[in-house]
Amino acid sequence: GENVEQHPSTLSVQEGDSAVIKCTYSDSASNYFPWYKQELGKRPQLIIDIRSNVGEKKDQRIAVTLNKTAKHFSLHITETQPEDSAVYFCAAGRGGSNYKLTFGKGTLLTVNP
Amino acid sequence: EAGVAQSPRYKIIEKRQSVAFWCNPISGHATLYWYQQILGQGPKLLIQFQNNGVVDDSQLPKDRFSAERLKGVDSTLKIQPAKLEDSAVYLCASSLGLAGRGEQFFGPGTRLTVL
Repeated sequence: GENVEQHPSTLSVQEGDSAVIKCTYSDSASNYFPWYKQELGKRPQLIIDIRSNVGEKKDQRIAVTLNKTAKHFSLHITETQPEDSAVYFCAAGRGGSNYKLTFGKGTLLTVNP
Repeated sequence: EAGVAQSPRYKIIEKRQSVAFWCNPISGHATLYWYQQILGQGPKLLIQFQNNGVVDDSQLPKDRFSAERLKGVDSTLKIQPAKLEDSAVYLCASSLGLAGRGEQFFGPGTRLTVL
């Protein structure tokens, strides 16, 4: 089955700096890569996703890049703010619209004011 | 639009007892997922339904876990009997299914503690 590795497990940055979280996956058939943000005690929420037919996607301060050859994808957050502090999960999925997702173990991002 | 609803939010039981969780997905969402999230880890898929049929239950411990979605809407997940290692947050998620683009919406979860 699919295996998703996520690094780092914790990341601390100063407000205004950039943060990068990296994930690798094992199943070359995976074609959908979402990123979820989970604040303490709350539900995971989708912040951005990318499909295997594109290499990069941006949404304001958030971007995701995908390297299918190397089987890795990354989340980039620019101009970080204290409210960006949360656990971020990457996931990989395959199939049509009913993706079976395998999640990474998460990255605890702390943005210090 | 109302989100995914789950109940109860918290449950404490003794090992070997039984417990059931309920999920009401977003209206119109054909696909429903149950995940187990152990503290410090990412969600792990237990079972996936498309309408009232099971799409994937390969990671469901079938000797103690069961789930159903009888009318293709609400779903229940049951653990019988519970073990200490079942302590986790049980998340329900739903998506539009074949009509959508794949985004899964999560409920608030049920935090289970097995003593």
